[in-house]
Amino acid sequence: QPVLTQPPSASASLGASVTLTCTLSSGHSNHKVDWYQQRPGKGPRFVMRVGTGGIVGSKGDGIPDRFSVLGSGLNRYLTIKNIQEEDESDYHCGADHGSGSNFVSVFGGGTKLTVL
Amino acid sequence: EVHLVESGGGLVQPGGSLRLSCAASGFTFSSYWMSWVRQAPGKGLEWVAIIKQDGSDKYYVDSVKGRFTISRDNAKNSLYLQMNSLRAEDTAVYYCAREGYSGYDPFDNWGQGTLVTVSS
Repeated sequence: QPVLTQPPSASASLGASVTLTCTLSSGHSNHKVDWYQQRPGKGPRFVMRVGTGGIVGSKGDGIPDRFSVLGSGLNRYLTIKNIQEEDESDYHCGADHGSGSNFVSVFGGGTKLTVL
Repeated sequence: EVHLVESGGGLVQPGGSLRLSCAASGFTFSSYWMSWVRQAPGKGLEWVAIIKQDGSDKYYVDSVKGRFTISRDNAKNSLYLQMNSLRAEDTAVYYCAREGYSGYDPFDNWGQGTLVTVSS
């Protein structure tokens, strides 16, 4: 099963852009990854799914156009442009993995985004 | 509008049991795989279990196998998690999450969570 690695923290100034990274473990470069936003004290919210070709499917409900994704090799990126105060959140990446009669879903450790 | 509302959390002693419920509304519950995901205090997300639309397939994270049981009642639009032999490391907020039609879709809707605390 894949292991997902995220830096624990990131920061960006109001109005600037930031790119968050989720790195898949070796051998899993074809995996799609899902991005989730979790505001303080709230449940997670689906942002979008990303593969090596970019976004897969549709964005989550209410996700603004400022959010975009890219995929390259083992990395899956979430870019937020024109950062707003409400973007300050924890961002988690996740992936499903099935093998034979087994299934598992895994998450990275999450990145805490601070808006300066 | 999709709504997922968890209940049943609370304080329980190590070795005890608890049953979580998730009431679903705003969509055809019986058409979707459903999961439980938990988050220990100050930690990241951890997937716990998933169940197929008709309950015929169930999968669990290794750490809860043999202790937790996921189930659903499509007539009541409800998802459940029976938790037995609870340990301190099971302390977490437990979220109900809608998966999709295939089991390999994103968790596109989440509840607000219910807190389970395992402590003596």
